[in-house]
Amino acid sequence: ETGVTQSPTHLIKTRGQQVTLRCSSQSGHNTVSWYQQALGQGPQFIFQYYREEENGRGNFPPRFSGLQFPNYSSELNVNALELDDSALYLCASSWDNNSPLHFGNGTRLTVT
Amino acid sequence: AQSVSQHNHHVILSEAASLELGCNYSYGGTVNLFWYVQYPGQHLQLLLKYFSGDPLVKGIKGFEAEFIKSKFSFNLRKPSVQWSDTAEYFCAVNATPVGGSQGNLIFGKGTKLSVKP
Repeated sequence: ETGVTQSPTHLIKTRGQQVTLRCSSQSGHNTVSWYQQALGQGPQFIFQYYREEENGRGNFPPRFSGLQFPNYSSELNVNALELDDSALYLCASSWDNNSPLHFGNGTRLTVT
Repeated sequence: AQSVSQHNHHVILSEAASLELGCNYSYGGTVNLFWYVQYPGQHLQLLLKYFSGDPLVKGIKGFEAEFIKSKFSFNLRKPSVQWSDTAEYFCAVNATPVGGSQGNLIFGKGTKLSVKP
């Protein structure tokens, strides 16, 4: 067990809608990252938060946004969903940027 | 842009066979390198990592990887695979490392390993 839980496990949305995915990290993990894993691909880095501030971002448009809360939970928000946003979204947390990542099992998002 | 290439999409081996999974990255600077494994129905977990020093690193479950800077490679090896090694293996790079940073990873597409009992 990684101690990282994600909800929901599966989600179906319609193109143009907005979605919020949630992650609960291990207590004490100050860093949380989000990754998008499309079918047949490796995880792709979306962004990272450290102590509630974004401190790294991959090549994703601004409609992908995040929040990290003091209680070690975090959110990934995606606005104006597109069909290509269909993927597995992974949350990973760690003590800090020099510690191993602990991944959750992911949320499978389908956009129709 | 930095990228990671894993040469094999799907590898099928019999138990006790030797394993080598290829990984190449495209970045000329300092990198931190990782192999992650995902067993069926489970989360991604770290197998081993390389930051500096001895280019041959040992991980969990008898896996090892060799960093060859001149070839931009970080191949994963195991002398004798077991059925329980059936999983998907991902090579990853942190191309802007600060010390031992392990975040902001660029992953390869993964290699599925199937081990026949």
